[in-house]
Amino acid sequence: GNSVTQMEGPVTLSEEAFLTINCTYTATGYPSLFWYVQYPGEGLQLLLKATKADDKGSNKGFEATYRKETTSFHLEKGSVQVSDSAVYFCALSDQAGNQFYFGTGTSLTVIP
Amino acid sequence: ETGVTQSPTHLIKTRGQQVTLRCSSQSGHNTVSWYQQALGQGPQFIFQYYREEENGRGNFPPRFSGLQFPNYSSELNVNALELDDSALYLCASSTGTRKVEQYFGPGTRLTVT
Repeated sequence: GNSVTQMEGPVTLSEEAFLTINCTYTATGYPSLFWYVQYPGEGLQLLLKATKADDKGSNKGFEATYRKETTSFHLEKGSVQVSDSAVYFCALSDQAGNQFYFGTGTSLTVIP
Repeated sequence: ETGVTQSPTHLIKTRGQQVTLRCSSQSGHNTVSWYQQALGQGPQFIFQYYREEENGRGNFPPRFSGLQFPNYSSELNVNALELDDSALYLCASSTGTRKVEQYFGPGTRLTVT
């Protein structure tokens, strides 16, 4: 079946550090992949997405590349800010967008 | 543009009771998905409705059921509540042509005692 496994947290980084949050998936067919973010006290927001192999999703300085050969979709940012402190969820959908699977979330805290 | 709204915000029920949660989708969206998010966990997909028909379901028992109305708003009904049903219930809407781009509501916090 379909599933997502993401790096366990919590993760604590200093401002301007490099961020990587690992995500791997198991899926049949051609899933779409996502990163969602949940800021403190707010709802889930779509951060970026990739709908086919080798696509790179990017937004707000975050990037992730859909790697079919390694079944991965790792989230990266070159220089994190305090405002990036949040919980990050990796997710996938089936090709039709009829079913979705989320990872358990990774809490990120950025300290000044 | 109005975002996704959910009601009520919080709810407390007793084991064995039934509950109905409501969701209004974002303007122009005809697809609604429901999720259960336990504390400290990721959202678990319950089901999806598209144009008033269920067209995707996760690993949840039949006591979790739903409806979608002609205006694309939706209800989640849970019968015979169990303590493990205590969670944040999230609704997300999207368009039929861009289903993968979901917009989430703030959620309903259900506590079962």
